[in-house]
Amino acid sequence: QVQLQQWGAGLLKPSETLSLTCGVYGASFSGYYWSWIRQSPGKGLEWIGEINHAGSSNYNPSLKSRVTISVDTSTNQFSLKVNSVTAADTALYYCARGRRVEGLYCSGGSCYFDHWGQGTLVTVSS
Amino acid sequence: DIQMTQSPSSLSASVGGTVTITCRASQSIGTYLNWFQQKPGKAPKLLIYLASKLESGVPSRFSGSGSGTDFFLVIRTVQPEDFADYFCQQSYSTPITFGQGTRLDIK
Repeated sequence: QVQLQQWGAGLLKPSETLSLTCGVYGASFSGYYWSWIRQSPGKGLEWIGEINHAGSSNYNPSLKSRVTISVDTSTNQFSLKVNSVTAADTALYYCARGRRVEGLYCSGGSCYFDHWGQGTLVTVSS
Repeated sequence: DIQMTQSPSSLSASVGGTVTITCRASQSIGTYLNWFQQKPGKAPKLLIYLASKLESGVPSRFSGSGSGTDFFLVIRTVQPEDFADYFCQQSYSTPITFGQGTRLDIK
């Protein structure tokens, strides 16, 4: 049974760095893309970026300058860092597994997200 | 970015009824369209992928159709557990984008 379990600090001050990690259990790490997605009342669901087991990554241009997604295949974990956070980064953050479909390009990475983490609420407040 | 617009933003239905949710893309996306259901306090759950393919374990009362710019999620014989939020999402091009959601509640 595939499970994604995420953790990280939930309360940050402006200008600090958001750091979250997602552990993948019960599934191979290779052959998929691993994404971070956030959800807020104001912006709805927003895809942040993704990475595969080889470290090939794609980012949302709106966040690319502040975001780094990394992977540790030895522990089946991938991580998100967002620099210089502001109140606008307050959201519920999810990790998710992206499936590829043979023969389809699918935005260069995930065709669809079939498993999600439980979500981590991150609040940015002074 | 490809904008995804869902309609209606909310709707009411009776148990046993049929509902249709529409998702429109700002440009043609082929069939690179997925549907999710989200209940309060839970992560989104995949229902339909690539416009019409039913995810394993999802009841057959859920169906998806469409291609190009217009897509539809139909729920037939709505059950009490179907009252939730529904989102569409395109995977045609980066950045991946989502619709704003449709809330289905009990009439």
